[in-house]
Amino acid sequence: AQSVSQHNHHVILSEAASLELGCNYSYGGTVNLFWYVQYPGQHLQLLLKYFSGDPLVKGIKGFEAEFIKSKFSFNLRKPSVQWSDTAEYFCAVTEAGSYQLTFGKGTKLSVIP
Amino acid sequence: GAVVSQHPSWVICKSGTSVKIECRSLDFQATTMFWYRQFPKQSLMLMATSNEGSKATYEQGVEKDKFLINHASLTLSTLTVTSAHPEDSSFYICSARGSELLAGVKPDTQYFGPGTRLTVL
Repeated sequence: AQSVSQHNHHVILSEAASLELGCNYSYGGTVNLFWYVQYPGQHLQLLLKYFSGDPLVKGIKGFEAEFIKSKFSFNLRKPSVQWSDTAEYFCAVTEAGSYQLTFGKGTKLSVIP
Repeated sequence: GAVVSQHPSWVICKSGTSVKIECRSLDFQATTMFWYRQFPKQSLMLMATSNEGSKATYEQGVEKDKFLINHASLTLSTLTVTSAHPEDSSFYICSARGSELLAGVKPDTQYFGPGTRLTVL
């Protein structure tokens, strides 16, 4: 079975700081990888996803993530965060060909103006 | 864009009663809908996968007789928590996967509803 680990439970940053949220998964086969964001009081929204091709994936709102197969990682990055990025971020994985998402526990990001 | 709604957004019920939660894809057809459960400070756990017109596929450990899922149309799936108990109190979230290429809808992406907070007294 797959599992997803997000190592940081809560990250606090000042505006303009750089962000990197860790995500590691355990599964030996081909996977599809996702980052979802949940803003306060809102539903989950897709930030970006990786299916194949360039391992550096660019998403909405200036976010990007890099798939490193050898490390089973899919870390999320943003060079300069804004207060509006305050939210909870979830990494998720599916086996290739499946639509069943396995989620990490989420990382809460608080950006201080 | 793809919008998924859930109703109700929150519900409080007495122990032993049944509660129905609706999940609707508002502007696209969803061949597959998923039901998740989220406990405080925990991840979303997939409960079941629901395909239109067929029986739902439940994850290991999820009681199919307790969590009844009906996916009667391409835009509606319902989750009924039968004989609810306090331990069923949780946040229930559905998602829908689009079945066709429409503006703003990608068939390999799940679109999530806002969730339903269930509290069983």
